[in-house]
Amino acid sequence: EDKVVQSPLSLVVHEGDTVTLNCSYEVTNFRSLLWYKQEKKAPTFLFMLTSSGIEKKSGRLSSILDKKELFSILNITATQTGDSAIYLCAVLGADGLTFGKGTHLIIQP
Amino acid sequence: EAGVAQSPRYKIIEKRQSVAFWCNPISGHATLYWYQQILGQGPKLLIQFQNNGVVDDSQLPKDRFSAERLKGVDSTLKIQPAKLEDSAVYLCAWGGARDTQYFGPGTRLTVL
Repeated sequence: EDKVVQSPLSLVVHEGDTVTLNCSYEVTNFRSLLWYKQEKKAPTFLFMLTSSGIEKKSGRLSSILDKKELFSILNITATQTGDSAIYLCAVLGADGLTFGKGTHLIIQP
Repeated sequence: EAGVAQSPRYKIIEKRQSVAFWCNPISGHATLYWYQQILGQGPKLLIQFQNNGVVDDSQLPKDRFSAERLKGVDSTLKIQPAKLEDSAVYLCAWGGARDTQYFGPGTRLTVL
């Protein structure tokens, strides 16, 4: 059974701080790793990673995948209150898309 | 970017009642998914359609849950009868390019 573990489960920081969210996985027939941001109900797509060592970047968010050590990180620099959300990591493998429990990030003004 | 519309947005029912959710792709998407997200958990796949055929329903509790996709477009998910543990957000998603999945706004179900 495919497994995705995210850490920390919750994180409270101040505006302007930099945060790193972690995602480790065990999956059969790995195809890709995806990051989503969930604010209210619908997760919104952030990144898809398939190759090790290639950083994906979008504004203040960036992510990288290590297929040897089976993990990914999501970095957010210069955090803003609008970054407060649950960040979900998901891995596509033999069992389809398997999600972690998410990291609940709270940015305090 | 075109996505999916879901209805209703909220539903409250009593246990043992039946409920149905609708997913309406705004533009044609061959692959469609239903997920269940219980509070504090990540979404869990219930069923995957490719056009109007089922690709994977291995995690669908078939004794009470059913789903269909009409003419490869709209889809419905039904629960009959509902249990307390079915309280969750039900998300419909469509498959984009290269394994990406995009989610609709979801339906929040509360079973009392």
